[in-house]
Amino acid sequence: GAGVSQSPSNKVTEKGKDVELRCDPISGHTALYWYRQSLGQGLEFLIYFQGNSAPDKSGLPSDRFSAERTGGSVSTLTIQRTQQEDSAVYLCASSLITVGQGTEAFFGQGTRLTVV
Amino acid sequence: DAKTTQPTSMDCAEGRAANLPCNHSTISGNEYVYWYRQIHSQGPQYIIHGLKNNETNEMASLIITEDRKSSTLILPHATLRDTAVYYCIVNSQGGKLIFGQGTELSVKP
Repeated sequence: GAGVSQSPSNKVTEKGKDVELRCDPISGHTALYWYRQSLGQGLEFLIYFQGNSAPDKSGLPSDRFSAERTGGSVSTLTIQRTQQEDSAVYLCASSLITVGQGTEAFFGQGTRLTVV
Repeated sequence: DAKTTQPTSMDCAEGRAANLPCNHSTISGNEYVYWYRQIHSQGPQYIIHGLKNNETNEMASLIITEDRKSSTLILPHATLRDTAVYYCIVNSQGGKLIFGQGTELSVKP
């Protein structure tokens, strides 16, 4: 596709359930990033991938959060045993190479997760 | 990654140039300056980035001081649709963008 695609666009889940959020990056982009944004707050970095490996997982808030990327393309962010504080918009971005090398990252429209 | 300082909010009259400042006094030689904006309820949108030289594209111009300790994003003819939060980010080889609180720009008729 032309841009970064995220699915679902909205997800309502019950506390304690597991959820999977999907990101389809722009074709050919080797770097992929996950962020989250709680209501009225700034963007919080979670993890980024270079290819299928994750050099920086420093932003994952707890061991309930995990992410993987397969085939250098699609990525899945999994939240286990969801809590109400996990409610946020989860944003994915991709770039041709890592932004540290001077290339721009493009963001999807996000998945709005609501834990009830 | 170097830290950035931006004003919390700014106003601009429609049709006038919007000049958004950013201080990044601890920037190191290999760090790029990136600008993004976020319009309410949307994902961040890339605007422009640069290393040492001034840059211009169809959206904006980026002016970086000679010592690279500060920069200015210029929207030459602001419209109501430019109302957004603007983020100045300084990035190193760390491979990720760290967003601060940004500047909330309000373009008024």
